[in-house]
Order: sequence, then structure tokens, then C-alpha cells
Amino acid sequence: KQEVTQIPAALSVPEGENLVLNCSFTDSAIYNLQWFRQDPGKGLTSLLLIQSSQREQTSGRLNASLDKSSGRSTLYIAASQPGDSATYLCAGPLDFNKFYFGSGTKLNVKP
Amino acid sequence: DTAVSQTPKYLVTQMGNDKSIKCEQNLGHDTMYWYKQDSKKFLKIMFSYNNKELIINETVPNRFSPKSPDKAHLNLHINSLELGDSAVYFCASSHRAGYNEQFFGPGTRLTVL
Repeated sequence: KQEVTQIPAALSVPEGENLVLNCSFTDSAIYNLQWFRQDPGKGLTSLLLIQSSQREQTSGRLNASLDKSSGRSTLYIAASQPGDSATYLCAGPLDFNKFYFGSGTKLNVKP
Repeated sequence: DTAVSQTPKYLVTQMGNDKSIKCEQNLGHDTMYWYKQDSKKFLKIMFSYNNKELIINETVPNRFSPKSPDKAHLNLHINSLELGDSAVYFCASSHRAGYNEQFFGPGTRLTVL
């Protein structure tokens, strides 16, 4: 059974800091990996999708990498802002079409 | 403009009742999903449909029955609601089955009293 661990579970940083969120899978045979953010009481917003043939993806201040050999992904957020405060979730399919989610990292960026 | 929409946003009901949640996507995707997010915020897949056909059916009580009248809609009907069914239910869609980027609806918060 696939298990997804996200570290840290919670993070509080002052505005402007660069930070790294971690995601690891017990079964490294994931095909691709998707990072989401979830704001309180809201749905999930897709941030980045790393396809199986890729090792990283970038969008603005966000950079996500995937190391399939170890089953690990990191999400790097540069120059954090209060608007980045949310819960960040990683997910990846092991079985066909069945995404496994981590429990998330709750980020608080203080002004 | 809403890509994936769900109704209702909130649902409060008594134990034993039957209720439905509706989902619609206007992205032209072939595949739709239902997820359950429990009180600890853990998301778990329940069902997946591809072109109106059920392709994933996780270990979910028979009281939960998905229905896909067409590719753009996936509804979830729940019979004989129990306290443990209280959660947030999310609908999602992807371009096609298998390893594609998923887009989520805003969620339906179900509270069973």
C-alpha cells in the first residue's frame, strides 16, 4: 500500500524567506507527481505537475523536483509572501489513475 | 468560467437520510473522480469514471453509489447516512484516465447529525 509522507506537518516563517517542503512515497514507482495548495474551506488548486519524463517544473516563485529513484519530491518556494499561507499537498498515482495524497504541510507566512 | 463545480456547498442532514451531491466539469475531460477528505484533512479516492464507465471503486460502503449520466457529470448518492460519513467530498476531473493533472471542485461539506 502506498503511503505518502509530507514533512514538515506545519511551518511558520517570516515573509521573504525561501522554504522547502518535502514529500516522500513508500513505493517509489510513482508515475508523476502533482503539487496542490488548499486554502481553508476551499478546494485544491493545482500548482505544478511533474511528468514521468521530467525531473522538475517551475512556475513563478515555485519550483518542484522529483527524484523517482528515491520516491521523493520537494517544493521550493522563493521569497515567501503572506498570500502563500495555505496547506500544500503532494499527490502521485501508483495504480492506474489512483492518486495517493499526503496529509499536507500547513504553511503560515507572517508579514 | 468555473471548471469543476459541485452542489451543494454545504449539506446538513440527519442520520438515516439519503442525499446526493452533484458535480459538473466544463473542461471537456474524459475522467472524473470523487474524493473524501476526513477531519484530519486526509484525502482518499473513492471512485473514478472514464467516459461514463466506472474504473476505480475503492473500499467504499455500498451505501455510496456514483452515477455518471454523461462525461461532464458525476453525481454521488449516499443512502442511510451515518455519523462517520461527515466529511468534505471533492469532485475532480482529468483530461484522460491515467497519470494526468487533476482539477478539483470546491468541495461539499457534509455534516450528519
